[in-house]
Amino acid sequence: GQNIDQPTEMTATEGAIVQINCTYQTSGFNGLFWYQQHAGEAPTFLSYNVLDGLEEKGRFSSFLSRSKGYSYLLLKELQMKDSASYLCAALYNNNDMRFGAGTRLTVKP
Amino acid sequence: KAGVTQTPRYLIKTRGQQVTLSCSPISGHRSVSWYQQTPGQGLQFLFEYFSETQRNKGNFPGRFSGRQFSNSRSEMNVSTLELGDSALYLCASSYNRVGGTEAFFGQGTRLTVV
Repeated sequence: GQNIDQPTEMTATEGAIVQINCTYQTSGFNGLFWYQQHAGEAPTFLSYNVLDGLEEKGRFSSFLSRSKGYSYLLLKELQMKDSASYLCAALYNNNDMRFGAGTRLTVKP
Repeated sequence: KAGVTQTPRYLIKTRGQQVTLSCSPISGHRSVSWYQQTPGQGLQFLFEYFSETQRNKGNFPGRFSGRQFSNSRSEMNVSTLELGDSALYLCASSYNRVGGTEAFFGQGTRLTVV
């Protein structure tokens, strides 16, 4: 199978750093996406990793380890508006993109 | 440029009926994917169309079907609706999903089956 696993919920404080982990099946893997989804809205693209390492984009960074089947999304200097669900999605060889169930992040003052 | 447009935004149907949802991708995008989103299951992949051909299919019963037209617009049909089909149906378009091209999501169609 192509199970994508990520925590269901996380809570963090405004101004802090939070890391959201994601594990996936490595067979046929092509790349890893992170999407943000605010309640009642469509998911929006955050990042795409295909090579091992850390990709930084402003307050958000995404890391990938292909050999371990592991990725994380790092959010720095958390703001209240970062409260949302974060979806991890893996793309496989057969053009198949599988999503995790999402991690609901709550940022508290 | 215009984003991904899904119609209708909200729909209420009764069990046993059928429903057709529509998705207009971003101009120039040839790949359209459909997903079902429920609170407990997250985003579940239904199918992907590319240049009018179904290129990939998820693990949903045959009651769920789709098609894509020559202008890349796509429709999804669910027949013999069940209560469990109540969900948010999202459509995502990309130029070509191969190579990890970013996908853009529509606002979704909220289907309620009563």
